Amino acid sequence: DAVMTQTPLSLSVTPGQPASISCKSSQSLLYSDGKTYLYWYLQKTGQPPHLLIYEVSKRFSGVPDRFSGSGSGTDFTLKISRVEADDVGVYYCMQSMQHPPTFGGGTKVDI
Amino acid sequence: QVQLVQSGAEVKKPGASVKVSCKASGYTITDSYVHWVRQAPGQGLEWMGWLSPKSGSTKSAQKFQGRVTMTGDTSISTAYMELSGLTSDDTAVYYCARSRAFDYWGQGTLITVSS
Repeated sequence: DAVMTQTPLSLSVTPGQPASISCKSSQSLLYSDGKTYLYWYLQKTGQPPHLLIYEVSKRFSGVPDRFSGSGSGTDFTLKISRVEADDVGVYYCMQSMQHPPTFGGGTKVDI
Repeated sequence: QVQLVQSGAEVKKPGASVKVSCKASGYTITDSYVHWVRQAPGQGLEWMGWLSPKSGSTKSAQKFQGRVTMTGDTSISTAYMELSGLTSDDTAVYYCARSRAFDYWGQGTLITVSS
């Protein structure tokens, strides 16, 4: 199974400042079709996760442009350019390049 | 708009089975796989398996093989996940999610296993 390792475990941020979360996979997530199946989700307290970024860097519908994803192969990063109070929660990366899909352990972001 | 609406919370005794439903709307359920993910209290996300509503084929995580059954009823756009042999370790919120991207999620169903 591809092991997804997120750092840091927690992050305390100041509104208006940038934030960055790292996700490293134990295996390359580049598939033979040329796509990289790496995703980012935010789970707010008491809610299901919701998709922020798909295929490394594509923002999902309605996601503010302060969120951006980058990386390739095994190393990926989620960046928030200017953190807002509404961005608090736990962020997860996930790979679905290979079976089984696996999630990172999560990064808790608070203000 | 795409929505996945799950059945309500349940309390089960050890050894029992539970069946959770996930009703899809806003898209054709046969167009995408449905995944099942669970989250134990205070823990992260654990993938359980997927169902192809179109073909009925399924694949589950090794951990749940022999204990989980995923089915669908396309006539009512609903997917089901049944977990048997419940123990206290199965106490969790169970989610359904759509497609390889897990782009839409159900609201979650809390299953509590307690004697």
